[in-house]
Amino acid sequence: NAGVTQTPKFRILKIGQSMTLQCTQDMNHNYMYWYRQDPGMGLKLIYYSVGAGITDKGEVPNGYNVSRSTTEDFPLRLELAAPSQTSVYFCASSQLAGGTLAKNIQYFGAGTRLSVL
Amino acid sequence: RKEVEQDPGPFNVPEGATVAFNCTYSNSASQSFFWYRQDCRKEPKLLMSVYSSGNEDGRFTAQLNRASQYISLLIRDSKLSDSATYLCVVNAGFQKLVFGTGTRLLVSP
Repeated sequence: NAGVTQTPKFRILKIGQSMTLQCTQDMNHNYMYWYRQDPGMGLKLIYYSVGAGITDKGEVPNGYNVSRSTTEDFPLRLELAAPSQTSVYFCASSQLAGGTLAKNIQYFGAGTRLSVL
Repeated sequence: RKEVEQDPGPFNVPEGATVAFNCTYSNSASQSFFWYRQDCRKEPKLLMSVYSSGNEDGRFTAQLNRASQYISLLIRDSKLSDSATYLCVVNAGFQKLVFGTGTRLLVSP
């Protein structure tokens, strides 16, 4: 069971470089999310998507972009990397069960550790 | 006020002890609640959902108090493998989860 797969696991970027964090899920979930987690902090929502072709901003979207061309893939793009973007990035997916929010269980990938120097 | 607040700990307990964590949330319209577990440098994983009537899963018991807007997690007979950070998570509406910063538990022999 692959679940949610993120690549790469680690990356070091120089200030101003760009990169794409990849996320794919094989559970046919409609909902996908990108979070960042800074040391000692809770997860902050960057962007989310409720289905292919539909994305929306979360709490901390500045400096990031996303796209959702397929159900499976939800890449996160950093255009001009800054030291403030040093963090651990988690991708997650979920699916409503029986149309109820009570079953909004999110499944996470293993994370991408990004350092911007 | 933070949307979800937790005591960061750490809670240091011996094996076999009972330990309880509380979490408060600010949005009275929140509809669903969860406890996630996060091991060091790993992804969060669902521990259990929290239902209004309270629910139990083995050694773990979760309670919800809507009137006081808090959620609790009780762990009985602590194991070394329970050492982790426990995240209180609240569904603020439309698939958007709000995560607490977590409570760290250290179980010692």
